[in-house]
Amino acid sequence: SQQGEEDPQALSIQEGENATMNCSYKTSINNLQWYRQNSGRGLVHLILIRSNEREKHSGRLRVTLDTSKKSSSLLITASRAADTASYFCATYLNTGKLIFGQGTTLQVKP
Amino acid sequence: NAGVTQTPKFRVLKTGQSMTLLCAQDMNHEYMYWYRQDPGMGLRLIHYSVGEGTTAKGEVPDGYNVSRLKKQNFLLGLESAAPSQTSVYFCASTDGGFTTLSYGYTFGSGTRLTVV
Repeated sequence: SQQGEEDPQALSIQEGENATMNCSYKTSINNLQWYRQNSGRGLVHLILIRSNEREKHSGRLRVTLDTSKKSSSLLITASRAADTASYFCATYLNTGKLIFGQGTTLQVKP
Repeated sequence: NAGVTQTPKFRVLKTGQSMTLLCAQDMNHEYMYWYRQDPGMGLRLIHYSVGEGTTAKGEVPDGYNVSRLKKQNFLLGLESAAPSQTSVYFCASTDGGFTTLSYGYTFGSGTRLTVV
């Protein structure tokens, strides 16, 4: 089974609302990354948080990491229609592997 | 333009045929990866390489082979294609150091493969 499990699988919100996505993983990690994928396109890196960090911000994005619970969350504040996409967490292992979760599909309604 | 280039972008194969997908990066990255993406499954790691001349198995390596003879290229081969290998294939690269920590991985735009 995959290293990362994401919750919810799908999320629909109104423009201006906040969106929260959660990711759980199974083994020790070096860092955890979040990516966005627009329909039919490649993945774009959003933010990376190291295993010794607890919270990180980038623009409207806030990521938290709880290594004791092996979980992370991605918060997108003041969402926009352009944020509609699939979001994936990925865990980077010390072996060099980057393992992805199944993703959360976010729809932001104008 | 700097980045990861995948060729071809689309391909239809008959069962039993073979083909090679090419991934090329011009960022001098050490690490390169091949993933497949199926509906509802997210991305699954097929094979990866942490340097020229090295390869390692990922989560779903069966039915695929890879080679990294040159640092900038990572080839994914299907020796005898099967319908179960119908998927979108993504290549990614990173330097494994400062760039990774700042910018993560760089992905190609994907190859859509259909095996009939």
